[in-house]
This record gives sequence, structure tokens and C-alpha cells, in this order.
Amino acid sequence: DAKTTQPPSMDCAEGRAANLPCNHSTISGNEYVYWYRQIHSQGPQYIIHGLKNNETNEMASLIITEDRKSSTLILPHATLRDTAVYYCIVRVATGANNLFFGTGTRLTVIP
Amino acid sequence: DSGVTQTPKHLITATGQRVTLRCSPRSGDLSVYWYQQSLDQGLQFLIQYYNGEERAKGNILERFSAQQFPDLHSELNLSSLELGDSALYFCASSFTTGGGYGYTFGSGTRLTVV
Repeated sequence: DAKTTQPPSMDCAEGRAANLPCNHSTISGNEYVYWYRQIHSQGPQYIIHGLKNNETNEMASLIITEDRKSSTLILPHATLRDTAVYYCIVRVATGANNLFFGTGTRLTVIP
Repeated sequence: DSGVTQTPKHLITATGQRVTLRCSPRSGDLSVYWYQQSLDQGLQFLIQYYNGEERAKGNILERFSAQQFPDLHSELNLSSLELGDSALYFCASSFTTGGGYGYTFGSGTRLTVV
């Protein structure tokens, strides 16, 4: 699975959009981009995933660049409950193999 | 409730002891994954089972073992415990979703070795 690079930490004001970047310059054509988050000491929570098109669900939006070498997770209206570590993971779609969690981005939403 | 059930939630035991952590995957999910997260550390993959068979191994110590039973629940056995084994242990199960796999995690077992 391709390696990802994320900033170690970010702050965001409550109510504003949080934009979390991820670099995955070595991504292969059959690899998806997944985002998970872990709120303090809880189990990681699935947020969203995509291949090449932008995706949106009730939690977030995922913007993938045309060359697929980077992506951005957008939380449109951050709340205090969104304070967590966010993990960007790239992996192939076939085969239910383990997820590799890097160090992620620690997002702090500030009142 | 994620659908993945882990018991117990908390466990305190002494060095040298053996413990068993239990995980029930979401209904219908055949794969179970075990992860370890030490204090302020990342999530480390330990082992995966698929429909009763070991599928992949990560950084799992020889003192640790796991199995998945016919009803698909899994147990992680930790023996000869050391202080450094104190950690959160998470279990996850996987499911297919519009392109790729989703992974659902349980709420974890916090193991404290004293």
C-alpha cells in the first residue's frame, strides 16, 4: 500500500470548515484513499473513502486531485466533538487486508 | 454501537499472568483484525483471521496468540505479561462497501499490567 504524509497537527475554529490534507504521491491506479478518525482512546471510526471522484457523505467530503497524488478531507462545520486524530490510508480494494495506520493529523477544534 | 463487541472493557492484571480478550465481529463479517495501541503510540496491527483461519500476521509477539471460532468470534491470548504490554487492544471486522472494504472497530479493551 502506498505511503501517506499528513501534517502532525492542525487547529480549527468551531463552526468553520476543517481541511485536512494528505499526500500520497506514490498511489497506484487500483488504490483507494480512506479516512478514519480516532477520538481519544475510542476505536477508530470510518469517515469516507474514494478512488478518483470527489465523495461526500453525512460526515465529510473527500476531494482527490486529478493526478490522485493528494487529497483533502473536509469537515464542513467543525464541532468540538470533531477533535480527534485523523488518519489518511491508501490501500487496494481487493483483499480484506489489514489497515496500516500512520501517525495521522491531530485536529483540535477550538471554541 | 459499531456492532463489534469487545470484552472486557478494562482488565488489570499482574506481570507474568495470562489474559484472554474477546471480540465478536459485526453480524456477517468473516474477518477479524486485532490491533494494539500503547500509550501515545499508533495503532499496531497484530493479526488477522478470516473465517476461522489465520490470514495475516503483523507485529505480534510469540507470547501472544489468537484464534477465531466457528461462530466467528475471536480471542486474543496474552501470556507472560509484562508492564510494556499495557495498552488498548482493538478488534475490527471488515465488510465490502462501494469499492473496497470498510472496517468497523470495537471500543477496545484497556489492559493494565501492574
